[in-house]
Amino acid sequence: KQEVTQIPAALSVPEGENLVLNCSFTDSAIYNLQWFRQDPGKGLTSLLLIQSSQREQTSGRLNASLDKSSGRSTLYIAASQPGDSATYLCAGRVSGGGSYIPTFGRGTSLIVHP
Amino acid sequence: GAGVSQSPSNKVTEKGKDVELRCDPISGHTALYWYRQSLGQGLEFLIYFQGNSAPDKSGLPSDRFSAERTGGSVSTLTIQRTQQEDSAVYLCASSPRGAGESYNEQFFGPGTRLTVL
Repeated sequence: KQEVTQIPAALSVPEGENLVLNCSFTDSAIYNLQWFRQDPGKGLTSLLLIQSSQREQTSGRLNASLDKSSGRSTLYIAASQPGDSATYLCAGRVSGGGSYIPTFGRGTSLIVHP
Repeated sequence: GAGVSQSPSNKVTEKGKDVELRCDPISGHTALYWYRQSLGQGLEFLIYFQGNSAPDKSGLPSDRFSAERTGGSVSTLTIQRTQQEDSAVYLCASSPRGAGESYNEQFFGPGTRLTVL
């Protein structure tokens, strides 16, 4: 069974710092990977989707990379702002005999203080 | 355009009662997923619909849980004889393509918070 670990579980930083959030999978046969943010009491908002043929995606201050050989993904947030405060979740789909249903990590809770 | 919508946003019910949760996916999206999120837990997959194919029910926790998707659009998740452990946020997501295809980005609704007293 695929398991997803997100490190760190929680992070509190001052505004302006560059951040790295990590996501790792027990089964490295990742088909594609998606990063989300979740604000308190809300649903998930899609941030970035890395397709099977890609290694990274960028959107504004966000950059996500996927290393399929190790089953790891990294979300990089540049110049963090208080509005970035949220929980960040990764979800990966496994190829090869699986159902391709995404498996989610428990998330990294981020607080950016002014 | 309109995103994924869910109703009700909150539902409080008594143990033993049945509840129905509704999901309206983004128009034209063929794939629809239901998840459950308990306090402090990750998202737990429940059921997946893709087009006219038989749904993947492998995540349903018991036979008290069932779901339908009518006309390839709206979906209803039904929980019979609710228990206190069913209390959670139920999230629905849709995707323009199937789970095993490319460009199958998931878009989530705001969720239904279910409280079983």
